Amino acid sequence: KQEVTQIPAALSVPEGENLVLNCSFTDSAIYNLQWFRQDPGKGLTSLLLIQSSQREQTSGRLNASLDKSSGRSTLYIAASQPGDSATYLCAVRKSSGDKLTFGTGTRLAVRP
Amino acid sequence: DTEVTQTPKHLVMGMTNKKSLKCEQHMGHRAMYWYKQKAKKPPELMFVYSYEKLSINESVPSRFSPECPNSSLLNLHLHALQPEDSALYLCASSQRTGFWEKLFFGSGTQLSVL
Repeated sequence: KQEVTQIPAALSVPEGENLVLNCSFTDSAIYNLQWFRQDPGKGLTSLLLIQSSQREQTSGRLNASLDKSSGRSTLYIAASQPGDSATYLCAVRKSSGDKLTFGTGTRLAVRP
Repeated sequence: DTEVTQTPKHLVMGMTNKKSLKCEQHMGHRAMYWYKQKAKKPPELMFVYSYEKLSINESVPSRFSPECPNSSLLNLHLHALQPEDSALYLCASSQRTGFWEKLFFGSGTQLSVL
């Protein structure tokens, strides 16, 4: 059974700092990995999707990398802003079937 | 239009009530999903519809009954729920159920069962 873990569970940083969020998965036979952000009590917003054949994806201040063989992905946020405060979830899609398995999430707080 | 719209945003119901959650998208997506999310936990998949047909049921209790009347709409009918069913219910859609598809989520319905 695929298990997805995110470390740290919570993170508080001052504004302007660069930071890295980690995602680990136990079964490396994935097709893609997606990063989402979720504001409290709200739905999920897709940030980046990395196919299994890709190593990284970039969107603005966000960069996501994927190392399938080691079962790891990182989300790099440059020059963090208070508006980046949210819970960040990674999710992997299994090698068969349609299920998206979510990680445990990292709650990020960016202090002004 | 790149939105998935869910109504209502909040719902309070008793254990004997019957209610429905609604989800709508106009992106031409042919796959739609229901997820359940408890506080401070990741979303858990409940159902997947592909081309208006139920393709995945993650062993969800029968008090939850999904319905996909057309390619743009997805309903979740609720009956005789328990207090432990209180959660945020999220709808999502994707173009298809292919492994490469990006999911788009609605803002959710916060359900409280009394």
